[in-house]
Amino acid sequence: SQQGEEDPQALSIQEGENATMNCSYKTSINNLQWYRQNSGRGLVHLILIRSNEREKHSGRLRVTLDTSKKSSSLLITASRAADTASYFCATDEAWDTGRRALTFGSGTRLQVQP
Amino acid sequence: KAGVTQTPRYLIKTRGQQVTLSCSPISGHRSVSWYQQTPGQGLQFLFEYFSETQRNKGNFPGRFSGRQFSNSRSEMNVSTLELGDSALYLCASSGGLTGRTEAFFGQGTRLTVV
Repeated sequence: SQQGEEDPQALSIQEGENATMNCSYKTSINNLQWYRQNSGRGLVHLILIRSNEREKHSGRLRVTLDTSKKSSSLLITASRAADTASYFCATDEAWDTGRRALTFGSGTRLQVQP
Repeated sequence: KAGVTQTPRYLIKTRGQQVTLSCSPISGHRSVSWYQQTPGQGLQFLFEYFSETQRNKGNFPGRFSGRQFSNSRSEMNVSTLELGDSALYLCASSGGLTGRTEAFFGQGTRLTVV
């Protein structure tokens, strides 16, 4: 079963605008990761944020993590048509859950209009 | 450095048959995980192997099995195929002793059961 939900399920914006996606999860985590998937292909790792971090940047990406609310957000600034893809959050659960596997959210389909 | 390679890319099988999918991880990575992706259930964890041992298993029936070889290459097998097994099967490898780092995904094997 999936760890949580992503919001929104779909997002359509114009090139140059910012895109924000949210992810909620249920259990204690070791880290949270964001991935991108282009139309039925493999997933590409974007960024990893550890449970003791609150914010992380990578290029045009900004990720925040609020462990008290069990939520994370991914912000893509100055979006481009090439950013069109599905975005997934994935949680790596804490050691005491005994689970060593990524649990994925349901994903957000981002469409960037040129 | 070569990425994760999955073979074959596409496969069409008949109900009741069995299938074997292959995954070659990034050189030096010892953790290999398998995921099933369907439109209805999203990305679901199948199992993870580390140094030829299954470390974790998802909630799939016993028809789904896997193994890992000494060179870290992994195979997954699905016996007595059902229509609902039609999916994109993704393999991911990760490095480090704990495997708690980013996962690198292959392009997937698209399995269609008719």
